[in-house]
Amino acid sequence: EIVLTQSPGTLSLSPGERATLSCRASESVSRNYLAWYQQKPGQAPRLLIYGASSRATGIPDRFSGSGSATDFTLTISRLEPEDFAVYYCQQYNTPNTFGLGTKLEMK
Amino acid sequence: EVQLLESGGAMVQPGGSLSLSCAASGFTFSTYAMSWVRQAPGKRLEWVSGISSDGRTYYADSVKGRFTISRDNSKNTLFVQMSSLRAEDTATYYCTKEIGAIGTPVFEYWGQGSLVTVSS
Repeated sequence: EIVLTQSPGTLSLSPGERATLSCRASESVSRNYLAWYQQKPGQAPRLLIYGASSRATGIPDRFSGSGSATDFTLTISRLEPEDFAVYYCQQYNTPNTFGLGTKLEMK
Repeated sequence: EVQLLESGGAMVQPGGSLSLSCAASGFTFSTYAMSWVRQAPGKRLEWVSGISSDGRTYYADSVKGRFTISRDNSKNTLFVQMSSLRAEDTATYYCTKEIGAIGTPVFEYWGQGSLVTVSS
């Protein structure tokens, strides 16, 4: 199965700054079947991005996804206070797998 | 508004059985694939099982032969029957609506989760 490695483990930034989160796959993710989710404490995850770069319904355009093959990036252009959370990447070829997550914390 | 409401979570002894339900509303349930995704405390998310809109079922290797997923389209309800439970099955189980009918397990909507604890 494809192993996803997310980095950094924790990212400390301030509101208004740009966040860049990385997700690296142990082998090529075919068809760019890569999604990103946001999870806040005590809440269920929320789908942000699928197909590596397509925003899910209702997701603000400050969230963007990019990349292909083994290297993918989630970028949050200008952080809002509500963006501080844990972010997971998922590849959804069979079997689908998740990364360990990046915690985005407020500096 | 899409809503997914899980029920049935409990503490159960190793080797025991438990069934979870998920009541869905706000979308045409019968036309979407559904999945269960779990998260053990402090661990990554793990897809457990999925069922297509036409009833085909899929399982993670870790639960194959022990869990059974099913759906009742007339009642807009998703189920998972769990047996031979192990300590490592302890997790919050999320009911999820997939983004399509089959083949693309992108989890578009999530319930709030149901806690299953396997302990003696």
